[in-house]
Amino acid sequence: GESVGLHLPTLSVQEGDNSIINCAYSNSASDYFIWYKQESGKGPQFIIDIRSNMDKRQGQRVTVLLNKTVKHLSLQIAATQPGDSAVYFCAENSGTYKYIFGTGTRLKVLA
Amino acid sequence: KAGVTQTPRYLIKTRGQQVTLSCSPISGHRSVSWYQQTPGQGLQFLFEYFSETQRNKGNFPGRFSGRQFSNSRSEMNVSTLELGDSALYLCASSSETGSDTGELFFGEGSRLTVL
Repeated sequence: GESVGLHLPTLSVQEGDNSIINCAYSNSASDYFIWYKQESGKGPQFIIDIRSNMDKRQGQRVTVLLNKTVKHLSLQIAATQPGDSAVYFCAENSGTYKYIFGTGTRLKVLA
Repeated sequence: KAGVTQTPRYLIKTRGQQVTLSCSPISGHRSVSWYQQTPGQGLQFLFEYFSETQRNKGNFPGRFSGRQFSNSRSEMNVSTLELGDSALYLCASSSETGSDTGELFFGEGSRLTVL
């Protein structure tokens, strides 16, 4: 069935280093992808999105890369800060009015 | 602009009871979706409504139902509660009109505990 998965459940990085969070998706028809950040006790918060007609999109300190050939997404966070500690989810949408979310990666920023 | 508002934030029920959760979307958003979040299953899609019509439904039993009102506010109901229904129920709204996918804006969720 459809699935969106993450390679690493927990990622620990030193403050100031760059973080890379990966995500694999299985539905080749998906045409819109979002990365969300969820802090403890809060709902998911939008970070950045990308459509299937692009392979890279940059935001403030974040970059999303999309490789449709291998159905892979990644989220790069530059100069990781303590406030970046959270669980990160990728989500895919294939135009069926629903999103499929990955299982999430916990990012821990070490001082 | 107010965000997505969910009520109640926390509730405790016992097995066999029913529960109704409410969601007020961002003003102007007509699409409302519901997701269940559990440690074991992650975020699972429940259903999506647009202009009072359910456009998609996830793989949940019939005990889970929802509706949307003319002002775009939405409610979901779970009847005959089971222990496994304990979860964080998240509501999200979107400006998506059907012709273009829009991002989901989530509320803080309603945390349901079933004893």
